[in-house]
Amino acid sequence: EAGVTQFPSHSVIEKGQTVTLRCDPISGHDNLYWYRRVMGKEIKFLLHFVKESKQDESGMPNNRFLAERTGGTYSTLKVQPAELEDSGVYFCASSQGWNRGLRTEAFFGQGTRLTVV
Amino acid sequence: AQSVAQPEDQVNVAEGNPLTVKCTYSVSGNPYLFWYVQYPNRGLQFLLKYITGDNLVKGSYGFEAEFNKSQTSFHLKKPSALVSDSALYFCAVRSRGNNLFFGTGTRLTVIP
Repeated sequence: EAGVTQFPSHSVIEKGQTVTLRCDPISGHDNLYWYRRVMGKEIKFLLHFVKESKQDESGMPNNRFLAERTGGTYSTLKVQPAELEDSGVYFCASSQGWNRGLRTEAFFGQGTRLTVV
Repeated sequence: AQSVAQPEDQVNVAEGNPLTVKCTYSVSGNPYLFWYVQYPNRGLQFLLKYITGDNLVKGSYGFEAEFNKSQTSFHLKKPSALVSDSALYFCAVRSRGNNLFFGTGTRLTVIP
């Protein structure tokens, strides 16, 4: 079974440009999460999809970030226009949600390292 | 509000020695605690979790963690470290909304 996959693995863009990150969750996982780790700091939650709906987007830093999950399958995270402080590693994770009355753990992708210069 | 603290940025241990990676938490309500590991050029991998039940939780690769409610700690342990255990370890607590609050990470280096 394929895990969570993210594209690209690395991206270097200039300030002011646009970048789109993609996440393919594990098949059948309704829950999809985006997280970000800025260098040396904690991994911070950005937002949570349940199927195609945004369940919680309280962690999105500002309106330069737009996440979509059309059809409830893969998700994209667009940064437009990118700023220097957007540099970091963006992780995507997915989970089933519930299993025998317990919430299941999330499985993470390898991350996309974004560098804004 | 939920939060996690990992007081050590770096832990060095000799191969074969026991290792401990520290984590303390702050939550309102029952804590749901996790450990994840990130090997070089890899994603975060789930190691173990505490939801309820026994305070000693066993996970992947021989790791275990002890939940201590009075000390609000969830330290990760392994009786005998391997060089291949060298990686970045993250402690996390789950919010009511099911997203995770992570610590800043601890880099473990096992010295041959």
